[in-house]
Amino acid sequence: ETGVTQTPRHLVMGMTNKKSLKCEQHLGHNAMYWYKQSAKKPLELMFVYNFKEQTENNSVPSRFSPECPNSSHLFLHLHTLQPEDSALYLCASSHLAGGQGYEQYFGPGTRLTVT
Amino acid sequence: AQSVTQLDSQVPVFEEAPVELRCNYSSSVSVYLFWYVQYPNQGLQLLLKYLSGSTLVESINGFEAEFNKSQTSFHLRKPSVHISDTAEYFCAASEPLQGAQKLVFGQGTRLTINP
Repeated sequence: ETGVTQTPRHLVMGMTNKKSLKCEQHLGHNAMYWYKQSAKKPLELMFVYNFKEQTENNSVPSRFSPECPNSSHLFLHLHTLQPEDSALYLCASSHLAGGQGYEQYFGPGTRLTVT
Repeated sequence: AQSVTQLDSQVPVFEEAPVELRCNYSSSVSVYLFWYVQYPNQGLQLLLKYLSGSTLVESINGFEAEFNKSQTSFHLRKPSVHISDTAEYFCAASEPLQGAQKLVFGQGTRLTINP
């Protein structure tokens, strides 16, 4: 595997379910990010992890719970979601600023539908 | 806080015609700017970036963007488009965030190429 991978690619869940999204980066980066992409809205940054430590929680509801066990893996745990949470969830990674570049590399995303 | 505005939500052009996708950012002492492209059912791919130095940056597939500090713009251009350029294009600006970075995205511009 190369780059940033995300599983599953598609997920349909009911409002009472609990599920998790997984992201893995194979680029040797040490910062990882979760974004939400909804129709007709700009991409929204949800969470940032820097060396496994959460440095940003962009006012995200508690029904979204991130976990970063190491600098290569990032999870987003989901529970009691609402239909308006249906969106494409994108994971990204980067080197730290001032290091080897500033660009973020994105995974293909998980298309989430909440019924 | 940084903000990014993409002035056109949709741009239709004919194949082999030139195109310009407009992007403006809010003023900042130092800013790093990016263009990402998103093909259907895929994540975001970095197209080009401006960090410092020459104000004209180029991608490998014929796109270029010019950083204009006085007009706070970073417009994307291509002299002759192909059907394969059909995609959504996102302009982004970065803000430092405790060693990592926060990307602020514009709303996106959907580029449609007609034969």
